[in-house]
Amino acid sequence: GAVVSQHPSWVICKSGTSVKIECRSLDFQATTMFWYRQFPKQSLMLMATSNEGSKATYEQGVEKDKFLINHASLTLSTLTVTSAHPEDSSFYICSAVGEASGGPATQYFGPGTRLTVL
Amino acid sequence: GQSLEQPSEVTAVEGAIVQINCTYQTSGFYGLSWYQQHDGGAPTFLSYNALDGLEETGRFSSFLSRSDSYGYLLLQELQMKDSASYFCAVEGFKTIFGAGTRLFVKA
Repeated sequence: GAVVSQHPSWVICKSGTSVKIECRSLDFQATTMFWYRQFPKQSLMLMATSNEGSKATYEQGVEKDKFLINHASLTLSTLTVTSAHPEDSSFYICSAVGEASGGPATQYFGPGTRLTVL
Repeated sequence: GQSLEQPSEVTAVEGAIVQINCTYQTSGFYGLSWYQQHDGGAPTFLSYNALDGLEETGRFSSFLSRSDSYGYLLLQELQMKDSASYFCAVEGFKTIFGAGTRLFVKA
């Protein structure tokens, strides 16, 4: 089956620093990747849709200058949380959609990155 | 707008059958998916219904009625390891997740 990896799996940083999270599709080309954020005991909230070679589409309420997304290749998308603050502490999950087997537009999720901002 | 409703919590015993319902309001509907998420982990895909009817995958089945904007996930022969959160998700121009149903399986 399709595999999506995320790196790092967890990160602790000081307030004000920037953190980059990578999302890679390991065995297929992902034309579209999604970035989600999940607070404890809550649902996944879509932050942005990332398409290879074009600007990301952000959901309402998500600051594009704070959450920088780069989809540089068909197998890699990065999310950079700039000037992170404690309220940005969350579980960040990416997913990839591509031409992998699995039927109609199946999303393959990465294992997630737990960000803690002190 | 888009919205999904599912129960917040369900408790059942090992070996039992449980049904988790999901109603939705959306535009651009392609289908309804179900995901399982254990605490601290990422969601894993369980099933997808694009057409009305029942899809069976082992102990799990999923049902969709497009005319009623309703679907459900049926879990049979419950095991302790099935204790997790289950999310329905509307697949359209983008995926919108429900709030999730926490399933507790008791011995």
